[in-house]
Amino acid sequence: GENVEQHPSTLSVQEGDSAVIKCTYSDSASNYFPWYKQELGKGPQLIIDIRSNVGEKKDQRIAVTLNKTAKHFSLHITETQPEDSAVYFCAASTSGTYKYIFGTGTRLKVLA
Amino acid sequence: DTGVSQNPRHKITKRGQNVTFRCDPISEHNRLYWYRQTLGQGPEFLTYFQNEAQLEKSRLLSDRFSAERPKGSFSTLEIQRTEQGDSAMYLCASSHLPRNTEAFFGQGTRLTVV
Repeated sequence: GENVEQHPSTLSVQEGDSAVIKCTYSDSASNYFPWYKQELGKGPQLIIDIRSNVGEKKDQRIAVTLNKTAKHFSLHITETQPEDSAVYFCAASTSGTYKYIFGTGTRLKVLA
Repeated sequence: DTGVSQNPRHKITKRGQNVTFRCDPISEHNRLYWYRQTLGQGPEFLTYFQNEAQLEKSRLLSDRFSAERPKGSFSTLEIQRTEQGDSAMYLCASSHLPRNTEAFFGQGTRLTVV
């Protein structure tokens, strides 16, 4: 069935360093890939997304890359700050339903 | 518009009782989704609506679960005869197709079955 694998499950970085989270999807029909940030006790918040016709997208300190051939996509956070500490989820979906298949999450801790 | 609203935020119930959750999507969003999230896991798809029509249900949605969106606006998710395994965060999301595909999530309803 459809599956999204996410690594690492936990990530600790020093403030100011970069963080990279990687995901792999199984359904070759997937064409939309959002990333969500979830803080404790809150719902997921969309932070960036990418569609299959684009290889890279950047928004200030956050960037996402997509390799359709390898079915990989990654989140890059530069100049990390303590407020970036949260759980990050990748997801994949296909045209039509747009239901999301989520990864298992990465707990990012930015150390001051 | 204040985003997707879910009520209640927390619900504690005894095993065997019925519970109902409500979701108010972003105004004019025609798609509404329900997900379930257990501790340490990503959200899992349960069901979605296009306006008032329920278009897909996951196998996770047992016969004890029912969702409605009677007028194509707010939605309710009911769980009958709750079990301890139903304890989870229930998330609602909405989007507008075909205008965009981004889904915006509510804060969720945390259910604890004791």
